[in-house]
Amino acid sequence: QQQVKQSPQSLIVQKGGISIINCAYENTAFDYFPWYQQFPGKGPALLIAIRPDVSEKKEGRFTISFNKSAKQFSLHIMDSQPGDSATYFCAAYSNYQLIWGAGTKLIIKP
Amino acid sequence: ETGVTQTPRHLVMGMTNKKSLKCEQHLGHNAMYWYKQSAKKPLELMFVYNFKEQTENNSVPSRFSPECPNSSHLFLHLHTLQPEDSALYLCASSRSTGNTIYFGEGSWLTVV
Repeated sequence: QQQVKQSPQSLIVQKGGISIINCAYENTAFDYFPWYQQFPGKGPALLIAIRPDVSEKKEGRFTISFNKSAKQFSLHIMDSQPGDSATYFCAAYSNYQLIWGAGTKLIIKP
Repeated sequence: ETGVTQTPRHLVMGMTNKKSLKCEQHLGHNAMYWYKQSAKKPLELMFVYNFKEQTENNSVPSRFSPECPNSSHLFLHLHTLQPEDSALYLCASSRSTGNTIYFGEGSWLTVV
């Protein structure tokens, strides 16, 4: 019940396309859902986050869509650029614990 | 420049060696973490310290020994490691086990 399932494991998108990464959870006590971005040789860094009382949050080209009833949330990257190539992790927070998805390696082809 | 600094960035050690990884955070946080990142388990929480007290140990083998002398510094002492312990070790910090954590750039460990 503490798991966060992330898919796909890897994703290749053409430059200018939309990248979509999905996560699903079971524990309804989760109250904060961040996405982290990790470039090779660096630690993960917070990209964008959402709380369950909001269905969508947008920051520039990055949008989180949140479906509370389905217990799913997703990251959309609009107009994907080669510089977006990285590994993306979703996570869910409750009771002082962050539970991590397995990560998605995103490659944007020029 | 990251607010969480890890040294060394790369470490190669034999199975009989003793070494330590160091982490320092400049963010005024009270909680610090060690994570292990490998291909098999991308982000695996190892230890959590909150106000210098260890609050979580995720069944980590005793060959990994953490030390937190104050809220700004965290060490991971390594001894008699196995080749499967080769991984990226990430240090992180947050406000008192808050929901946003800040990672360092990691220490790449290779056990030979």
